[in-house]
Amino acid sequence: KNEVEQSPQNLTAQEGEFITINCSYSVGISALHWLQQHPGGGIVSLFMLSSGKKKHGRLIATINIQEKHSSLHITASHPRDSAVYICAATAPMNRDDKIIFGKGTRLHILP
Amino acid sequence: DTGVSQNPRHKITKRGQNVTFRCDPISEHNRLYWYRQTLGQGPEFLTYFQNEAQLEKSRLLSDRFSAERPKGSFSTLEIQRTEQGDSAMYLCASSSPYSNQPQHFGDGTRLSIL
Repeated sequence: KNEVEQSPQNLTAQEGEFITINCSYSVGISALHWLQQHPGGGIVSLFMLSSGKKKHGRLIATINIQEKHSSLHITASHPRDSAVYICAATAPMNRDDKIIFGKGTRLHILP
Repeated sequence: DTGVSQNPRHKITKRGQNVTFRCDPISEHNRLYWYRQTLGQGPEFLTYFQNEAQLEKSRLLSDRFSAERPKGSFSTLEIQRTEQGDSAMYLCASSSPYSNQPQHFGDGTRLSIL
């Protein structure tokens, strides 16, 4: 079992819909990351959080440390949001801050 | 802000050939990571440098793989005697000296073995 699990694996929605991607992790963490990867391969860091909630534009990330669960929400989704969204965790007491990645959620927003 | 730069973007080679990739991290970042990503999977950790010292290597990094960061700036990842299973996206990331800082990723090098 992967230490970082995401759901769903694939998600297709209409433009304007509210999107939720879920992430569960089985390890203790010092930080939880949400990353965006476009077809060309480059990865962009969207959020890094260790508690509570963060918002950037139409993107919102939340984390529940007790439940070991995080969600990424996209409001008013747009076709340009189509990408792979990856949840990843940095384990504590890890001197190299090595990240453990989920397999990603492939999001496709239809116009 | 130049970001993390990786070269080449794509590499196609025949099985058995040697390949070398380069990563130029953000200049003030002393931590540098290499990851490998196969189709449909999330990235997997390969190795980590702090300055010029290679501090950790994954078991994924067989003896055909070698990574260097001779002056603590750019890094190279070499694969000798490439195999079909080496086909993947090779990602480099860097981060600042302080603990628990976000990693900044390059666009990756996509390797295809014929």
